[in-house]
Amino acid sequence: QVQLVQSGAEVEKPGASVKVSCKASGYTFTNYGISWVRQAPGQRLEWVGWISAYNGITNYAQNFQGRVTMTTDTSTSTAYMELRSLRSDDTAVYYCAREQQLVGLQHWGQGTLVTVSS
Amino acid sequence: ENVLTQSPGTLSLSPGERATLSCRASQSVSSNYLAWFQQKPGQAPRLLIYGASSRATGIPDRFSGSGSGTDFTLTISRLEPEDFAVYYCQQYGSSPYTFGQGTKLEIK
Repeated sequence: QVQLVQSGAEVEKPGASVKVSCKASGYTFTNYGISWVRQAPGQRLEWVGWISAYNGITNYAQNFQGRVTMTTDTSTSTAYMELRSLRSDDTAVYYCAREQQLVGLQHWGQGTLVTVSS
Repeated sequence: ENVLTQSPGTLSLSPGERATLSCRASQSVSSNYLAWFQQKPGQAPRLLIYGASSRATGIPDRFSGSGSGTDFTLTISRLEPEDFAVYYCQQYGSSPYTFGQGTKLEIK
């Protein structure tokens, strides 16, 4: 069965960077893209961006342009999201989700809580 | 970006009743790429409906989606106790993907 397992919770100081991983199993990793979505406490879901696991092409939401980098390691079927210059309002649960054409975001990781605090 | 507005913010109903949730987009949703998710506390969102009206794998047939263009509806025909949660709509027809602010379905 399809599984996306994310790395554990992180606590970072303002201005620092964080890198969250998302290890996929149960399917051919390079056949699908991965989207990253975040949810700040009590807020709606917010799409961060997408990466093709086939060729590494990325599409970032404008709100995160210049601060986010998404990558994949096809040898380990793992996707990564790095967010830099962290601010307190980046405190959120970050999810990875497998994206399938026509269907959208069917399979999700368990989420990674990133806390930004001095 | 395509802003999605959900109504009502909170819906109070009893098990066995019918629930109707609305999602309105500020622009037409390309190819009707509109999805509905269910989220329970401490859990990741669960895909219910994609393409406005197609049920995702394993989703009970009491969940149905309808609509096109800018107006979409999620209907739960007979509420079960496990259906009380927060529901989000999402458009994935154009970048950036956007989500509604959610409808909380609570037990009356």
